[in-house]
Order: sequence, then C-alpha cells, then structure tokens
Amino acid sequence: QVQLQESGPGLVKPSQTLSLTCTVSGGSISSGGSYWSWIRQHPGKGLEWIGYIRYSGTTYYNPSLKSRVAISEDTSKNQFSLKLNSVTAADTAVYYCARVIDGVAAAGPWGQGTLVTVSS
Amino acid sequence: QSALTQPPSASGSPGQSVTISCSGTSSDIGNYNYVSWYQQHPGKAPKLMIYEVSKRPSGVPDRFSGSKSGNTASLTVSGLQAADEADYYCSSYAGGNTLVFGGGTKLTVL
Repeated sequence: QVQLQESGPGLVKPSQTLSLTCTVSGGSISSGGSYWSWIRQHPGKGLEWIGYIRYSGTTYYNPSLKSRVAISEDTSKNQFSLKLNSVTAADTAVYYCARVIDGVAAAGPWGQGTLVTVSS
Repeated sequence: QSALTQPPSASGSPGQSVTISCSGTSSDIGNYNYVSWYQQHPGKAPKLMIYEVSKRPSGVPDRFSGSKSGNTASLTVSGLQAADEADYYCSSYAGGNTLVFGGGTKLTVL
C-alpha cells in the first residue's frame, strides 16, 4: 500500500524558506487518480490545507498561502516537495504530506508528519 | 475560504453514541458531497474514517457513520469504546480544486 514520509530541516530562521520533501513508496506519483498534498497543523490547533500537485504537474494552493507557496514533483525519485518562503513564527507547525484521492477529495494515507519550528 | 466550524469537545460513556457536527457554507459542504472525517490520536497522523459524506474506507468499523443536511455534516460514533477517544476533523471540497478543514473536536470517552 502507499506510504509517505516527510523529510527536511526541523528549524528554519525567520524570513527564510521552509523546504520539505515527501517520499512516496508503494505507488507512483505519476499515476492518475491522486493529488499529492501538503497539510499543516499548528501546535494544539486544527488542520490547514496548504496545497497539492496533480499527477499532471498542475498545482493548486490555499488562497491564504498562495503568494508564498510552491509545490513541485520529482517523478524520477517518486517525491514531491514544498517550499514556503518568507516564513515567520506563525508558520511553526507539524507539516504532513498526504495523498488526496481524485474525485472524492479525501486524504489518505498520511505521512507521520514533521515539526518545523521557525526561530532565530 | 474559512475553516469549517466544529464544537471543541464532545463526550460520551462507553457503549453510548455521540454525534459531532461540522458546519460550513453553500460554497463547501452545502454544494458538494465531498465531506470527509479524520481521526487523530495524540502524536499521530490523521486517519481517514469517512469520505463522500457517508462512505467508510476498508477497515473502518461500521460504528462510524456520516451524514449531511444542508450546510452541516455530522459524524456519529456508536457503541463508544475507549480507543475512540481522539480528535476528529472534518473536511470538505470547497470548489476550485481547494479543500477546507474544520477546527477539530476532542472526543472524550467518560
């Protein structure tokens, strides 16, 4: 079955760029039927959809983050990545990658999540 | 795009049923049958429990059920068990290839 694993720095300085990668196993990100998504959870808070990339390479973003976000894919490595620029303390959160099932807009499975702290 | 509204907490005794609501608008829940529910235990990733309002993925007990009326969706957990104590989140397709989540409900099994 499909499994996802996030990786990247756990500490980012304010105003810099947060970069994370999600490695997918058990399935190809190039195959149809899935959107590959980033979702975050601020400490003790709810979930916030950041955006996703479709198997065609098309991206869709949360309007509130759109000006600072970029999601890309590396099909040769079966990975997709998140870049969030100009970060502040408000971007401190657990970042999850997940597969969103095309046609039903449901997320599953999810990676285990990775905590990113924005601090100098 | 505003977050969906959920009550911060819900509770019930073992064996009882509890229902968690998720309120949206005509731009999300009210316009699409793409409501999902997720269970999250402390320190763990969310797990998909319900999709398309009322469908259960393989392996999810039928004690979990979903419904929708107008702009509000609901998750009902029947025959409450200690293992059901967790945070529950709803989500909905919101048009334009976007998703929106609820703020989460902490379910306590008394």
